[in-house]
Parts: sequence; structure tokens; C-alpha cells
Amino acid sequence: DTEVTQTPKHLVMGMTNKKSLKCEQHMGHRAMYWYKQKAKKPPELMFVYSYEKLSINESVPSRFSPECPNSSLLNLHLHALQPEDSALYLCASSPGLAGRVYNEQFFGPGTRLTVL
Amino acid sequence: DAKTTQPNSMESNEEEPVHLPCNHSTISGTDYIHWYRQLPSQGPEYVIHGLTSNVNNRMASLAIAEDRKSSTLILHRATLRDAAVYYCILIRYNQGGKLIFGQGTELSVKP
Repeated sequence: DTEVTQTPKHLVMGMTNKKSLKCEQHMGHRAMYWYKQKAKKPPELMFVYSYEKLSINESVPSRFSPECPNSSLLNLHLHALQPEDSALYLCASSPGLAGRVYNEQFFGPGTRLTVL
Repeated sequence: DAKTTQPNSMESNEEEPVHLPCNHSTISGTDYIHWYRQLPSQGPEYVIHGLTSNVNNRMASLAIAEDRKSSTLILHRATLRDAAVYYCILIRYNQGGKLIFGQGTELSVKP
């Protein structure tokens, strides 16, 4: 299984809602990532988890809260978002992190988020 | 982080070779050159990577200049399915987690 799955595919939420995005992989990868992609722009790194511990936070606002409950699962909890947070949220995984030469990242199809 | 520069867009005809250039004049000795592409409505996918020598795989070839200040991704026979945004990314060997995407090159393929 060489797939990264993300649910839901689409999500519409109000600014006062709390929602979560889910990402799953069964490739035995020990690094997982969240990226944000606005329309017609490149993906931007948000968070990196290595061995279920947060290793990189790219100064993301606290209304985005990542969680890695186990090595196969990555969540992104959303609370009090703004309309400008509307974007495609991409999850990725890779075999490992620093020190590995070969670090291909496998991306999921993304969750299209709209904040009203 | 070292920066890469790519043309905004390129056009190709189907079944012809495509050469996608990337400039990275501030590359350091420990930076690997990676290429990813993003097809419409999909997440990015890995294409190829290299350090100093030219590399081939089933998807493409990567030609790296001798001074490593530039590289070229070569698609040997473009198909309509190769229409995508192609990103050239430098990754320091000990910062494997940080994929910093530039603007990329949008490749269109004409039948």
C-alpha cells in the first residue's frame, strides 16, 4: 500500500466551528507532514512530525493544532479559523527525516477547506 | 535555504522531449536537487533527485551541471498526462523534512 489517504475531501466550516482533518498512511513511514496550498500557489510547509513527535512548526497560528496519535495517523484540528485560511491542506509522509539521503515524500490528494 | 529559479511556464508537443531548466546558483555542497510535480487536482508527486551525477529513472532524467549551479529535468517523450506544475527543490542532507517549494514551471502539452 503506497497511498496516503486524507479525509474529508471537502470541508466547509464557519469561523466558530471546530473540525478536524485526518491523514493516514500504512507504508511504515516515520515522518509525516502538513502543508497548506492556496490557489495557484506552491504548497507551504506547516508542521513536521518525526517518530510521532512534533519536530518542525513553521510559525503556524495556534488555531491550527496538529496531533500524531500513532505512526500511521496524523490529524489537524481546526478552531476559530478565518476566511483567509481557506485552502487545500495536503498531508505527506516519508520514510524518515534528517540524516537520510533518500527522503521522498508521498502526498495525499488533500482536503479542500472553505471557511465562511 | 538556497533558492531555485524556474521559468513560469513552458509548452511542449506530445511525444516530443521536454527540457525543464532550474537555476540554483547558491547551492551548497550538501544540497540535493529534487524534482516534484503536481498534476491538476492532485497532491505533488516525487519525480527524481540527484546530488552530482546525472540520474535516470522510469519517469525522467536529471542532468546536473558540472558546477551544480543549474540542472535540467528531461521528459523523454511528453504525454498529455505530463501536463503539471514541476517544482525544483533543494534539500540539505540533514534537513530532509523541509520541502520548500518555489513557484515551479507550469508545463502544458499540446496534442
